[in-house]
Amino acid sequence: GQQVMQIPQYQHVQEGEDFTTYCNSSTTLSNIQWYKQRPGGHPVFLIQLVKSGEVKKQKRLTFQFGEAKKNSSLHITATQTTDVGTYFCALAGGTSYGKLTFGQGTILTVHP
Amino acid sequence: KAGVTQTPRYLIKTRGQQVTLSCSPISGHRSVSWYQQTPGQGLQFLFEYFSETQRNKGNFPGRFSGRQFSNSRSEMNVSTLELGDSALYLCASSTTMTRDWLPNEQFFGPGTRLTVL
Repeated sequence: GQQVMQIPQYQHVQEGEDFTTYCNSSTTLSNIQWYKQRPGGHPVFLIQLVKSGEVKKQKRLTFQFGEAKKNSSLHITATQTTDVGTYFCALAGGTSYGKLTFGQGTILTVHP
Repeated sequence: KAGVTQTPRYLIKTRGQQVTLSCSPISGHRSVSWYQQTPGQGLQFLFEYFSETQRNKGNFPGRFSGRQFSNSRSEMNVSTLELGDSALYLCASSTTMTRDWLPNEQFFGPGTRLTVL
């Protein structure tokens, strides 16, 4: 099946510091989605990337899709305590066409 | 619009029993997917239904099954429960795939927390 590696597994930052999580696939992707799950909550969709080299921004969040469509990143500028949670990438394409394969997630802790 | 609802929210069963979980998607959503979430394995895809047909299936044993009704509501069943089936079971609904057969944004429900003793 499709392999996806998401790093780091954990990240602790001081409020105001930046944060980046990376998602790497063993196969070329058709699209990639990013989700956030707050502690005790359920995953909430953040964004979908489809085009090679695509960059999208949502306020302090910047999402990138690699040129080869095999990797993606989520960068948060000047983290806030409200950013706490687990960030997942979800892949479609390759051998999992039509279904999503989730990365293991990066658990972000923000210290005030 | 009301969000995705799942019932029950919490469930405690013993090994060998079976369980049925229910999911009501967002009105107008015809695709329903089920995921198992555990601390060790993360979010794992179980299956996806569209118009009462299972379109995709994950790598789970046959003890895990599901179905979808004509009103898009879905149920999943786990028979002969094992301790390792303890998990948060999440249901997600979405509009149909894009014309390139890519999954659209998934709207997750709050989940059913299953504990197997």
